[in-house]
Amino acid sequence: DADVTQTPRNRITKTGKRIMLECSQTKGHDRMYWYRQDPGLGLRLIYYSFDVKDINKGEISDGYSVSRQAQAKFSLSLESAIPNQTALYFCATSDWDTQETQYFGPGTRLLVL
Amino acid sequence: QKEVEQDPGPLSVPEGAIVSLNCTYSNSAFQYFMWYRQYSRKGPELLMYTYSSGNKEDGRFTAQVDKSSKYISLFIRDSQPSDSATYLCARQGGSEKLVFGKGTKLTVNP
Repeated sequence: DADVTQTPRNRITKTGKRIMLECSQTKGHDRMYWYRQDPGLGLRLIYYSFDVKDINKGEISDGYSVSRQAQAKFSLSLESAIPNQTALYFCATSDWDTQETQYFGPGTRLLVL
Repeated sequence: QKEVEQDPGPLSVPEGAIVSLNCTYSNSAFQYFMWYRQYSRKGPELLMYTYSSGNKEDGRFTAQVDKSSKYISLFIRDSQPSDSATYLCARQGGSEKLVFGKGTKLTVNP
């Protein structure tokens, strides 16, 4: 089984809808991250969490919120989706002493119409 | 200006060629530099990392950091079609985050 899983893998939604992307990991890592990837813009950090009680904004947090339900689970929500949130979303994890090594999930492809 | 600049390519080479991928960075305060490889429809995976300046070799791959010129390089010898992927450079960022380049798409033709 994969160490970092993301659900759903693909999602089509309409403008104004609330959606949640979920991430689970079995690596036992404390640190979890949400990125979005757009053609020509690369990977950009949305939010990150260093433990269950720690949530931090990344480079592009506007329009997003997160919840760290447990050490193994980190969810990303779009409260009111808009078309420019169409992107590929990745969850990642890292251990506290090897933060240069991040383990990525397979990604969620989101299309907002 | 993004802190890590990377030519997006695409780069197309014949099998067996030596490939050179490059990035530049602007903040010299950090010590760790990484290369991630991303196959189509997959998440990125760490390929190599180097600490501070110098070279690191792993099989056909060599990562090089030149701190004086703020240049990060990845060399692939005897390139194979299986090396076709997008390669992302990254540096350790503040608050223990990573800052990624935009990625260079490489195609190795049989």
